Amino acid sequence: NAGVTQTPKFRILKIGQSMTLQCTQDMNHNYMYWYRQDPGMGLKLIYYSVGAGITDKGEVPNGYNVSRSTTEDFPLRLELAAPSQTSVYFCASSYAGHRHTEAFFGQGTRLTVV
Amino acid sequence: KNQVEQSPQSLIILEGKNCTLQCNYTVSPFSNLRWYKQDTGRGPVSLTIMTFSENTKSNGRYTATLDADTKQSSLHITASQLSDSASYICVVSAGRSGGGADGLTFGKGTHLIIQP
Repeated sequence: NAGVTQTPKFRILKIGQSMTLQCTQDMNHNYMYWYRQDPGMGLKLIYYSVGAGITDKGEVPNGYNVSRSTTEDFPLRLELAAPSQTSVYFCASSYAGHRHTEAFFGQGTRLTVV
Repeated sequence: KNQVEQSPQSLIILEGKNCTLQCNYTVSPFSNLRWYKQDTGRGPVSLTIMTFSENTKSNGRYTATLDADTKQSSLHITASQLSDSASYICVVSAGRSGGGADGLTFGKGTHLIIQP
C-alpha cells in the first residue's frame, strides 16, 4: 500500500519559472491537503480539498494554485516561482477532516528557488 | 491568536534513557491534540490523538498526557532507541468554530537526537 506519493522529491527552480508538484493517494480519502514547512517553523496549510472538484484556500495560498479532478490526485501549481517559496512541501490526505482525524503525509518535495 | 509552543527546541540523550517533551497551547475552543513524529527527510507520522476527556494515551514506548485545564501536554519516551531520533510535532485542533481552514495549529517541533 503506497499511501501518499509525492513527486519530485527535490527540485531547483529559477525565479519566474513554473512547476507542478504532484500528489496521489491510494487510500480513497476524500480530504487532501498541501502544507509547506519552513526551517524552524510549524507546518502551514496552503490549500485543501474535501472531494473531487472542490478546493479551498488555506492560510498561505498566495502564489499557488490547485485542482482536484479525481479523488486520487491533488497537484499543486507554482506559476511564477519566487525565493519566498523555497520550502519543503507536504501533501497529506485523511478519511475525514484533518481537524478530527489523523492525516497521512507524503515524503515531501524540497523546493529551492534561486 | 491560537498558538502551540514546544520545549525544548532540541534534546540529546543517550540510548536507553527516558525523556519528556513538552507542549503548551492556547488554542480555543479545544477539540483534540495529537503528536506526530517526523523522521529527517520524511513526512510526519501520527503517534497519538487525544480528546478533551482523555488524559493519557500510549503507543508502544510513547506515552502522551494531556491536562486540558492547564493546556499542557507531554510526550514521554521510554527506553529510547536510535530510531527515535526525529522531530516531534505537537498539533492542536480547534473546535468547529475555531482555528484555520483545517482547524489545526502546528508547533515548531522538538528535535530529538539519540546517541549510542
